[in-house]
Amino acid sequence: GAGVSQSPRYKVAKRGQDVALRCDPISGHVSLFWYQQALGQGPEFLTYFQNEAQLDKSGLPSDRFFAERPEGSVSTLKIQRTQQEDSAVYLCASSLDLAGGPEQFFGPGTRLTVL
Amino acid sequence: AQSVTQPDIHITVSEGASLELRCNYSYGATPYLFWYVQSPGQGLQLLLKYFSGDTLVQGIKGFEAEFKRSQSSFNLRKPSVHWSDAAEYFCAVGAGDYKLSFGAGTTVTVRA
Repeated sequence: GAGVSQSPRYKVAKRGQDVALRCDPISGHVSLFWYQQALGQGPEFLTYFQNEAQLDKSGLPSDRFFAERPEGSVSTLKIQRTQQEDSAVYLCASSLDLAGGPEQFFGPGTRLTVL
Repeated sequence: AQSVTQPDIHITVSEGASLELRCNYSYGATPYLFWYVQSPGQGLQLLLKYFSGDTLVQGIKGFEAEFKRSQSSFNLRKPSVHWSDAAEYFCAVGAGDYKLSFGAGTTVTVRA
């Protein structure tokens, strides 16, 4: 595709609900990243995939957060039993590969509000 | 681990005036450096990047930035701002691995 797309753009969940956020990276991009951006803050790294392999999940805040990229393209970030502190914008980014330099292209984000 | 400081939370500038946004980083070697812009409700758009070579880099929308190793800085500049430049600006550092570390951002307001 022309750019990174994310869906839904906005999600409202009641506390305790599970949510799933989708990311479609730029076609052919090997690397995929998820970031969390709290209100008034810069994005913070959550997790990284190279193709289908999740090479780093050190930024995931708790075991309620889970990400997958089963076929090496589309990725899903799942949050179980959502809490109010999970409210944030979740950004997905992709890059061609590290050999080409670590330039990451970002999607528009999903704004999650937990009530 | 690398870190980024953007000292100015909010800057107000008149249309047509010059703009400079400050960014300081902490990292033991030469990092990859980026400036992104984010308009309300939008994702991050890359303005410019520094990997190596010439320390003055040109970006889109008339922006430029200068890498100063001695000051661990990568300040963003624009000679004449337009009302459409009102947005939030983020400096980011990559350290040769895959993670980007972002500053907290600087909000730019442009007054007529």
